[in-house]
Amino acid sequence: DVKVTQSSRYLVKRTGEKVFLECVQDMDHENMFWYRQDPGLGLRLIYFSYDVKMKEKGDIPEGYSVSREKKERFSLILESASTNQTSMYLCASSTSTASHGTEAFFGQGTRLTVV
Amino acid sequence: AQSVAQPEDQVNVAEGNPLTVKCTYSVSGNPYLFWYVQYPNRGLQFLLKYITGDNLVKGSYGFEAEFNKSQTSFHLKKPSALVSDSALYFCAVRGMDSSYKLIFGSGTRLLVRP
Repeated sequence: DVKVTQSSRYLVKRTGEKVFLECVQDMDHENMFWYRQDPGLGLRLIYFSYDVKMKEKGDIPEGYSVSREKKERFSLILESASTNQTSMYLCASSTSTASHGTEAFFGQGTRLTVV
Repeated sequence: AQSVAQPEDQVNVAEGNPLTVKCTYSVSGNPYLFWYVQYPNRGLQFLLKYITGDNLVKGSYGFEAEFNKSQTSFHLKKPSALVSDSALYFCAVRGMDSSYKLIFGSGTRLLVRP
């Protein structure tokens, strides 16, 4: 089974701190994604990466950056955490076969609270 | 631009009755469509997908979905609901472009009462 592992289930950070959320997948997937989930808004894409060292902005990249130095690992960085970044963060991965019909596999989520 | 609409925030159904969770989409060209389920404090689990072919797609846990191109819909269905089906359901779409972005709807909470 595909496994996508996020390093923390729950995090509490202070305003202004630099926060790292880590995600590792074990299926050699080319694509990795970071979403945030807020009630009533569904999942919104922050960043995604289709290859090592490659990244593209999603719909809400402001206040975030990402790093993909190895294929299996995709990190989300909050440069200076703010209270409006309190949310559930979900990492996902998918393969890049010839078809775009491959589903994404999700981690268990990190619930981040910024105080 | 791609988009997905789930018009119902919550669907209530009695155990044993059929259920439908609605989804409509907007995408250029032919779509790839997905349904995911999320249980409390968990990540999303894949249920089923439509790529091409038969408009009725069968997935995990007895769920199925019907693709309707003329109505741009992809409603999730189950003939007989279980209390354990109570969860948050997300519809998602990916267009046939060069992007691998998966766009999600806002989610529908399904409550199955005993």
